Amino acid sequence: AQTVTQSQPEMSVQEAETVTLSCTYDTSESDYYLFWYKQPPSRQMILVIRQEAYKQQNATENRFSVNFQKAAKSFSLKISDSQLGDAAMYFCAYRRNNAGNMLTFGGGTRLMVKP
Amino acid sequence: DGGITQSPKYLFRKEGQNVTLSCEQNLNHDAMYWYRQDPGQGLRLIYYSQIVNDFQKGDIAEGYSVSREKKESFPLTVTSAQKNPTAFYLCASSISRVNEQFFGPGTRLTVL
Repeated sequence: AQTVTQSQPEMSVQEAETVTLSCTYDTSESDYYLFWYKQPPSRQMILVIRQEAYKQQNATENRFSVNFQKAAKSFSLKISDSQLGDAAMYFCAYRRNNAGNMLTFGGGTRLMVKP
Repeated sequence: DGGITQSPKYLFRKEGQNVTLSCEQNLNHDAMYWYRQDPGQGLRLIYYSQIVNDFQKGDIAEGYSVSREKKESFPLTVTSAQKNPTAFYLCASSISRVNEQFFGPGTRLTVL
């Protein structure tokens, strides 16, 4: 079974600074997707960024980028120029291809942004 | 506006009662999903449906039931067999079984 681990229950960052959230996963598959979701206080889950395992290039979405290390099974999220609105729970998720689109989530990291 | 609606936002029930959580989407998505979230934890899959009149159990299906009679609706019933039903429940949908999932706003269920 696949597992996803987020080892940082809480992180804090100063506004305008950069922060990196860690995620590791365990799988024997070679074809899969990885995601970062944001859950603000409203509790609605919002997709931040996705990475296909077969792509070596790290995904980027504006201020959000990932460091995908397939051999190490590591998938960290970097948030640049942090904003107050970035404060939320962040969840890393794994999806095996051809597996009915089932997501496996990590336990989450609470990010606090200090003004 | 297209989206996923879950109602109500907060739901209270007495222990031993069955309760049904609503999930509706007007995105014309084929696949729909139900997740449970406990405090300080990630989401766990309860049930999912890839097409109408078909659904499969997820990781924690015991004590829950679903139906998929219409493409836009995927209600979840929390039965009295569910030992710890108090949780936050999230519904999601995707265009197909391989596309990104979009989430509804969730329902907070409290069993007294």
